[in-house]
Amino acid sequence: GAGVSQSPSNKVTEKGKDVELRCDPISGHTALYWYRQSLGQGLEFLIYFQGNSAPDKSGLPSDRFSAERTGGSVSTLTIQRTQQEDSAVYLCASSLVGGYFQETQYFGPGTRLLVL
Amino acid sequence: AQTVTQSQPEMSVQEAETVTLSCTYDTSESNYYLFWYKQPPSRQMILVIRQEAYKQQNATENRFSVNFQKAAKSFSLKISDSQLGDTAMYFCAFTQMNRDDKIIFGKGTRLHILP
Repeated sequence: GAGVSQSPSNKVTEKGKDVELRCDPISGHTALYWYRQSLGQGLEFLIYFQGNSAPDKSGLPSDRFSAERTGGSVSTLTIQRTQQEDSAVYLCASSLVGGYFQETQYFGPGTRLLVL
Repeated sequence: AQTVTQSQPEMSVQEAETVTLSCTYDTSESNYYLFWYKQPPSRQMILVIRQEAYKQQNATENRFSVNFQKAAKSFSLKISDSQLGDTAMYFCAFTQMNRDDKIIFGKGTRLHILP
């Protein structure tokens, strides 16, 4: 596609439910990144993929968070048993080669998650 | 640990004026990259400008330029002839040159361009 797309754009869920957030990177981009943007905060790095593998999962805030990427393309971020503190905008980005965070990242519009 | 600080949570300037957004960072490394990203109300982050620490010359991109002071660990963004479309959140970010090292963002400055 022309840019990074994310779905849904907004998600409201009840505490304790599981949610799945989807990211479609730019076609041909090897690297994919997930960030969390809480109200009044900068971006918090969560995880990145080089192809289908995630070399570094240390940014995930808890074991309720997981992510996968299949076919070197679409990625899904799953949050299990959501808590109110999970409410945030979740941003996805992709870059051409990856492995280096200095490479220009292209961001999607994000998914705004609200946990009631 | 590396940190990025943006001391101005919010700023407002009149259209056509020049505005400078400040950013300071802390690192013990000598080779790194610095970025300014713009996040308009649409939420889609866009890279505005980047600077390699080993380059002494300040980066410029049309109306956007930086004042990179390596010794002071300062990386300010200057927007000349500001336009209404410049209204956005601006994030300063830092990453080292080591492979797989993460990118660290500041908390952002909300910039309002007034007509």
